[in-house]
Amino acid sequence: NAGVTQTPKFQVLKTGQSMTLQCAQDMNHEYMSWYRQDPGMGLRLIHYSVGAGITDQGEVPNGYNVSRSTTEDFPLRLLSAAPSQTSVYFCASSLRRSLYGYTFGSGTRLTVV
Amino acid sequence: AQTVTQSQPEMSVQEAETVTLSCTYDTSESDYYLFWYKQPPSRQMILVIRQEAYKQQNATENRFSVNFQKAAKSFSLKISDSQLGDAAMYFCAYRSYGGSQGNLIFGKGTKLSVKP
Repeated sequence: NAGVTQTPKFQVLKTGQSMTLQCAQDMNHEYMSWYRQDPGMGLRLIHYSVGAGITDQGEVPNGYNVSRSTTEDFPLRLLSAAPSQTSVYFCASSLRRSLYGYTFGSGTRLTVV
Repeated sequence: AQTVTQSQPEMSVQEAETVTLSCTYDTSESDYYLFWYKQPPSRQMILVIRQEAYKQQNATENRFSVNFQKAAKSFSLKISDSQLGDAAMYFCAYRSYGGSQGNLIFGKGTKLSVKP
């Protein structure tokens, strides 16, 4: 199993540009989430999904958009990149009720200049 | 809403010694999961240990163990016989037991250094 695959690993954007961070999992997990990690802030939830066709906002959703058309894929779209979105982004997935927590992708380091 | 607090931004331990990382949380729920994740410089999030709230017995995974005090809402991580490879950021996380509130809520992390 590949687990959770995130692409790209690194990205530099100019202010105002848009892009999509890709996330795919092959474990048939119902739950998928996007987090951003900033120094001293831990991981904060951006958006999440509890199944195909169902998404909801997390703690810091502004400037991001998501959709979930399949169980496997959960892309994160930056609509108009801003320097405040410079961060490390993690995608994660989990079964609905699981003691085993979430499986994380390897992260994307995004820099907006 | 649930919150997770890690009061130690940085900790240091001598190789082969024992260190304890603190975590407290706030919730009104009775059933939930608690986790410790390790993040080495590679950035990968690695699950270290997990605890179900309804189990009174503290979880243990090799050199890692927890002290779970449900009434005090405390979930500390003890690392025994510390190794250089234990140097990393450690995050405490909370997860509701069921329903749609299944997201992980993280503390801000503790950076652990291991001195040779």
